[in-house]
Amino acid sequence: QKEVEQNSGPLSVPEGAIASLNCTYSDRGSQSFFWYRQYSGKSPELIMSIYSNGDKEDGRFTAQLNKASQYVSLLIRDSQPSDSATYLCAVNWENNAGNMLTFGGGTRLMVKP
Amino acid sequence: EPEVTQTPSHQVTQMGQEVILRCVPISNHLYFYWYRQILGQKVEFLVSFYNNEISEKSEIFDDQFSVERPDGSNFTLKIRSTKLEDSAMYFCASRARGEQYFGPGTRLTVT
Repeated sequence: QKEVEQNSGPLSVPEGAIASLNCTYSDRGSQSFFWYRQYSGKSPELIMSIYSNGDKEDGRFTAQLNKASQYVSLLIRDSQPSDSATYLCAVNWENNAGNMLTFGGGTRLMVKP
Repeated sequence: EPEVTQTPSHQVTQMGQEVILRCVPISNHLYFYWYRQILGQKVEFLVSFYNNEISEKSEIFDDQFSVERPDGSNFTLKIRSTKLEDSAMYFCASRARGEQYFGPGTRLTVT
């Protein structure tokens, strides 16, 4: 059974701080990793994708992948109150004909002004 | 920027009735998906669709469910004989290369 695990939070950070969100997954045969943001009652919105070990930066967001440790993280620099949402980690495993995504339960982030 | 659209935004139906949820994927995307999210729970994969056929489906996607691409733009999810436990948000997603983009969802309430 392929699992994606996240701390449910809430993670509370002050405005302007760095928020660090973590995700672990159960199977080494994974291929692609995604971070989605979901506001309450809304759909998942893609923030970042990462496919190889290391860091990938896009604006205030940095995704980090360590396949040996089965670990992927998302750093949000200069956190803003508008970043307050649930962040979903999603994994697409190899040998997956449909490229389905398996989601973690999400981490709720609260950025306090 | 192109978006996935879904209709209706909210559907209320009685137990045992059939519902059809509609999606218009992003126009140059070839891979289509349905996911659902029961309130307070994880987003769960239902089915993927490519080249006019199902490429993968989850255990949730039993004979009660079916998908169709009736024309060049729409992608539908039909739920026959709805049950109370089918109440959830249903998301359509589409993909060109690696990344899946989600529509706004349809909230299905079965009473």
